Amino acid sequence: GAGVSQSPSNKVTEKGKDVELRCDPISGHTALYWYRQSLGQGLEFLIYFQGNSAPDKSGLPSDRFSAERTGGSVSTLTIQRTQQEDSAVYLCASSLTPSSSYNEQFFGPGTRLTVL
Amino acid sequence: DQQVKQNSPSLSVQEGRISILNCDYTNSMFDYFLWYKKYPAEGPTFLISISSIKDKNEDGRFTVFLNKSAKHLSLHIVPSQPGDSAVYFCAARTVGGSQGNLIFGKGTKLSVKP
Repeated sequence: GAGVSQSPSNKVTEKGKDVELRCDPISGHTALYWYRQSLGQGLEFLIYFQGNSAPDKSGLPSDRFSAERTGGSVSTLTIQRTQQEDSAVYLCASSLTPSSSYNEQFFGPGTRLTVL
Repeated sequence: DQQVKQNSPSLSVQEGRISILNCDYTNSMFDYFLWYKKYPAEGPTFLISISSIKDKNEDGRFTVFLNKSAKHLSLHIVPSQPGDSAVYFCAARTVGGSQGNLIFGKGTKLSVKP
């Protein structure tokens, strides 16, 4: 079975432009997460989707960031009016369901975003 | 304010010897701790985890130790192999609240030299 896939693998954009990053989770996984890793930093939680529940957006750094998950599967992370500090690797992960015990998160390869 | 800290950005070990990667945390509400391994240009992959009710979990060459009183955990790799060279992230999950998102440390780059 396929793992988590993300596209594009690399994205170079100019400051002020909007970008969309895509994540295809593992089939059947109800939980989907977005993280980003800036240079020299750990993974920073951005947003979390679980089934049909309202997403947890507590990690989004500004209102320029938004994400949606259509049909409980594919997710798109949108960054509007990109800034240079948005440059990072954006990672998507999915898991079966958090439930009350730990469920392993499977990560995609990430999208490397460079804002010039 | 970092809740999960990996104070050593890098570690170099000779092949066959033990690698010890350390992680400190501040939040006593964490219920699971995990180690992820990341190769360049790939996403992190899960390595091993430990529940907060345990103090040790072993899986082959990998053992994770948890000292709750010290809020400290460590990953031991023995014997270390060149293929273990990667960035290792310590992560923790909080009981309750937002279920599932992990809080990661900044990572430790392990280099195992032949």
